[in-house]
Amino acid sequence: QKEVEQNSGPLSVPEGAIASLNCTYSDRGSQSFFWYRQYSGKSPELIMFIYSNGDKEDGRFTAQLNKASQYVSLLIRDSQPSDSATYLCAVNPPRQLTFGSGTQLTVLP
Amino acid sequence: DAGVTQSPTHLIKTRGQHVTLRCSPISGHKSVSWYQQVLGQGPQFIFQYYEKEERGRGNFPDRFSARQFPNYSSELNVNALLLGDSALYLCASSLSNRGSYNSPLHFGNGTRLTVT
Repeated sequence: QKEVEQNSGPLSVPEGAIASLNCTYSDRGSQSFFWYRQYSGKSPELIMFIYSNGDKEDGRFTAQLNKASQYVSLLIRDSQPSDSATYLCAVNPPRQLTFGSGTQLTVLP
Repeated sequence: DAGVTQSPTHLIKTRGQHVTLRCSPISGHKSVSWYQQVLGQGPQFIFQYYEKEERGRGNFPDRFSARQFPNYSSELNVNALLLGDSALYLCASSLSNRGSYNSPLHFGNGTRLTVT
């Protein structure tokens, strides 16, 4: 079982729709959870972090965490073509930041 | 403020050669981590250094080594290069080595290594 699992996609949504990205993790000791966005050929960029159960909103982005289910998600409201990228879920600690393989999102104009 | 800077941006090497990649962290950040990212995969952890000491090592062979200098910059060395070492090598810095929500990783633009 992979430590951090994501649906690799690709996920396509029309412009203006809600994109839902999901991630599960295996280590119950994990305490901090991050979402990074990575444009093709570029390095990962931190967009959100969450560490307590529930929802955290930042602009068009909402992160959701359910530690009992070992599940993290990212919702992107009013999706824009500029949101087209690979979204990486990362989990930490107890070991160093561990990434999933990423979900490729395409927002269609 | 300058972000994490890495050099070189691109590198082409031949099998068997060695390579040194360099990283300067964000000012004030004392922790540097190295990741390898193969096309289509997420970054894989290689090393973490904090206050010039190795604080973590991923599942990579001994051909990979690293060090951190007094100014907190870092080098990643790879010996006896293999074709499979071709990847994007990412350096990330953070305030502390705890990796918690209040000390997230900030990545540089990476070094694209091609081994032929």
